[in-house]
Amino acid sequence: AQSVSQHNHHVILSEAASLELGCNYSYGGTVNLFWYVQYPGQHLQLLLKYFSGDPLVKGIKGFEAEFIKSKFSFNLRKPSVQWSDTAEYFCAVGGYGGSQGNLIFGKGTKLSVKP
Amino acid sequence: GAVVSQHPSRVICKSGTSVKIECRSLDFQATTMFWYRQFPKQSLMLMATSNEGSKATYEQGVEKDKFLINHASLTLSTLTVTSAHPEDSSFYICSAARDSLYEQYFGPGTRLTVT
Repeated sequence: AQSVSQHNHHVILSEAASLELGCNYSYGGTVNLFWYVQYPGQHLQLLLKYFSGDPLVKGIKGFEAEFIKSKFSFNLRKPSVQWSDTAEYFCAVGGYGGSQGNLIFGKGTKLSVKP
Repeated sequence: GAVVSQHPSRVICKSGTSVKIECRSLDFQATTMFWYRQFPKQSLMLMATSNEGSKATYEQGVEKDKFLINHASLTLSTLTVTSAHPEDSSFYICSAARDSLYEQYFGPGTRLTVT
């Protein structure tokens, strides 16, 4: 079965620190890749997505992610985090050959940013 | 734009009763909506894909007779948990696809507790 792994369950950073959240997936074919964010008490929101083209994808709020096909990875990065980035981050994969639109989610990484 | 609502946000019901959860796209039409389930500290798992005017497509292992899905209009899909049992207690989240199946906007979720 296809799977998505997020390496860290909980990451704690101070403001202005750099962030990198790992995401690896298991499917070897063409995939669509996503990062979603869930702020406390809110619903999932799309941060960024990769379908094709430039493997370095820029999203909202200064986030970016790099697709490395050889490593089956799609890590999320931000050079300088803010307290308002405190949230849970989910990596998701689609287009692996399953049902159209089916997204497989990782378990999520909780990010806590200390002011 | 692209707001999805769910109602109710929380529901407690007794074992053996049925519960209906609504998912609405408020400012766009969604031919396709998705229903996910999330257990504590687990990732979202797709239960079914709901297509307006046709039968829902259920993922493997999801009982279609237990989780009834109706997508009667382009802005409303409902999930009915029939004869609910305590093991059905979970967080149910819907999403609505806008311009493509992978451009999904998520609702805030419904916490179901079966006593």
